[in-house]
Amino acid sequence: NAGVTQTPKFQVLKTGQSMTLQCAQDMNHNSMYWYRQDPGMGLRLIYYSASEGTTDKGEVPNGYNVSRLNKREFSLRLESAAPSQTSVYFCASHRRVSGANVLTFGAGSRLTVL
Amino acid sequence: GIQVEQSPPDLILQEGANSTLRCNFSDSVNNLQWFHQNPWGQLINLFYIPSGTKQNGRLSATTVATERYSLLYISSSQTTDSGVYFCAGPAGGTSYGKLTFGQGTILTVHP
Repeated sequence: NAGVTQTPKFQVLKTGQSMTLQCAQDMNHNSMYWYRQDPGMGLRLIYYSASEGTTDKGEVPNGYNVSRLNKREFSLRLESAAPSQTSVYFCASHRRVSGANVLTFGAGSRLTVL
Repeated sequence: GIQVEQSPPDLILQEGANSTLRCNFSDSVNNLQWFHQNPWGQLINLFYIPSGTKQNGRLSATTVATERYSLLYISSSQTTDSGVYFCAGPAGGTSYGKLTFGQGTILTVHP
C-alpha cells in the first residue's frame, strides 16, 4: 500500500497564480485532512472532510478551497496565491485501529509563492 | 479547541542518553497523540494516548488527564531519534484527525 500520496512535492508560484495540491489515500479511510506547517510552528488545520461528500473549515481556511472528489481523493486549491501561503502542506487520513486513533500523513508539498 | 504547550523547545543529547518531553494542555482531552517528524519532513504517528501509559520499544508515553499533561520518554537515544516531536490534542468537534498541535520539541542526538 502506498498510504497517503501527495503531488506535487515542490512548487513555485508567482503571486496571483492558482494551483491545486492533490492528495490520494488507498487505505479506504473516511476522514481526510489538509494541514500547513510554517517554520518553527506546529501544524495548523486548513480544511477537513469527515466523509465523502462533506468538507469543513479548520483553523486557517482563508484563501483555500477543497474538493472531496471521492473517498480516495481530497484536493486543496489556491485560487490566487499570496506570499503568506508559502508553507509546507500535509495531507492526512484517519483510521481507528484497535481503539486507537491514528493519523497517517503524506510526505508533504513544499510551496513557495514569490 | 485546546491550547497545547510543549517543553523543552530544544534538546541536545549524546547517543545512549535518556530524555523526557512534556506536553501541557489547557482542557480535558479524549484524543491526545504524539508524532515524530524526521529530518526529511515525514510525520509518523507514535502514540494515541488520551490517558494511561503505553510503550513501543525504547519509547513510552504517559498521559495524566486529570492534571492535563502528557510525557514522552525516549530511552537509550539513537541518532535516528533526531527530529521534531509534536503532541496534539483535539481541536473541537467529533473528528479525531482534527487536531491542535504544539510547537514541537526539536531533538538532536549526537553520535
